[in-house]
Amino acid sequence: EVVMTQSPATLSVSPGERATLSCRASQSVTTNLAWYQQKPGQAPRLLIYGASTRATGIPARFSGSGSGTEFTLTISSLQSEDSAVYYCQQYNNWPPLTFGGGTKVEIK
Amino acid sequence: QLQLQESAPGLLKPSETLSLSCTVSGGSISSTTSYWAWIRQSPGQGLEWIGGIYYTGITYYNPSLESRVTLSTDTSKSQFSLTLRSVTAADTAVYYCARQYTSSWTNWFDAWGQGTLVAVSS
Repeated sequence: EVVMTQSPATLSVSPGERATLSCRASQSVTTNLAWYQQKPGQAPRLLIYGASTRATGIPARFSGSGSGTEFTLTISSLQSEDSAVYYCQQYNNWPPLTFGGGTKVEIK
Repeated sequence: QLQLQESAPGLLKPSETLSLSCTVSGGSISSTTSYWAWIRQSPGQGLEWIGGIYYTGITYYNPSLESRVTLSTDTSKSQFSLTLRSVTAADTAVYYCARQYTSSWTNWFDAWGQGTLVAVSS
């Protein structure tokens, strides 16, 4: 099983500032990685797939990068509505499909 | 727009069997680029993929749950279902159904139900 590790667990960022979230895989997943946003009481929403391709309707301030075992989700200019938990998910080696433990983004 | 809606079983006792169904609308359950998946989230915890089923009946399960899980589909009703046997308190979670978009090198989740809370308690 590919273990996904996210850091930090919590990130506190001021509005308008950049937020950088990390995701590490226990083995290479090439670029077969997705990112999701989950707000309280809601289902996750797909943000990024293929490590760097934004899903339909996702604002340009969200960007993904990385390959192999190291990945980054960047929110270039944090908005209040971006307060959420963000999860990475690998789909290179499955079953099982695996998620990271999440990073909670708080607005300072 | 694809929509998924879980049924709501609510409260179970330890050793009982959890049965959930998910109704797909706004798209075809027989889509060749879709697995239909179940994902759960324990209170305050992360996401765990339970398994996925193709409209032909092909299934993939999380090895950690495989001995207790069965997925099935009813294409005539545009529904797919989860059965989890011998539940314990550790199975208490919000259960989501989702569309697992699939092709040669893709398996992400691009449509989700709203989730249903299943609690296991004596």
